[in-house]
Amino acid sequence: GAVVSQHPSWVICKSGTSVKIECRSLDFQATTMFWYRQFPKQSLMLMATSNEGSKATYEQGVEKDKFLINHASLTLSTLTVTSAHPEDSSFYICSAPMIQGTNSPLHFGNGTRLTVT
Amino acid sequence: AQKVTQAQTEISVVEKEDVTLDCVYETRDTTYYLFWYKQPPSGELVFLIRRNSFDEQNEISGRYSWNFQKSTSSFNFTITASQVVDSAVYFCALSGPTYNFNKFYFGSGTKLNVKP
Repeated sequence: GAVVSQHPSWVICKSGTSVKIECRSLDFQATTMFWYRQFPKQSLMLMATSNEGSKATYEQGVEKDKFLINHASLTLSTLTVTSAHPEDSSFYICSAPMIQGTNSPLHFGNGTRLTVT
Repeated sequence: AQKVTQAQTEISVVEKEDVTLDCVYETRDTTYYLFWYKQPPSGELVFLIRRNSFDEQNEISGRYSWNFQKSTSSFNFTITASQVVDSAVYFCALSGPTYNFNKFYFGSGTKLNVKP
């Protein structure tokens, strides 16, 4: 079964509103989680590394004030898309290493399809 | 810089045919890891295999096999006797050494269509 749970699976929101996406690790503690973005028919692009107890690390070109990441506990990371615009419409996927602190394979959530109208 | 190239955007085969998905990578690290993931229409990425840069031994798992060749910087994936359930997008990925473990670089993916 899934070891990383992501919610919601899909969301439609109006331009200018904010949307929160949750990523939970099931049956294991994740001090580090990763947020990816995937445009249609394109690859996954790492947006940021979510660190429990400290600030997230954002990749170059990712607006930290627009994509707020909070790693509130050892099993929960949230991504909030603030003041969403149609160009933010995408597939957002979170992940966590199978073994924390290593480059072991990643467990992925099912993803969240965001549509901004 | 790290880069993964999957030149095949989409492949269509008929069930029971063999199919090879190509992956070419670029990295300056001497220690690195290569992965293959499967993304079915549901969206979830499913881990298939991980190889480290020091292990060039080919691997077979059921109908799946992987050919890792450092000389050509390739990590190709072959499905033997393909089935309709193999239809998905397949991603090849590269990650760096332990101190930079969070950097996963994904290829653009190859969509495999297996027709009955």
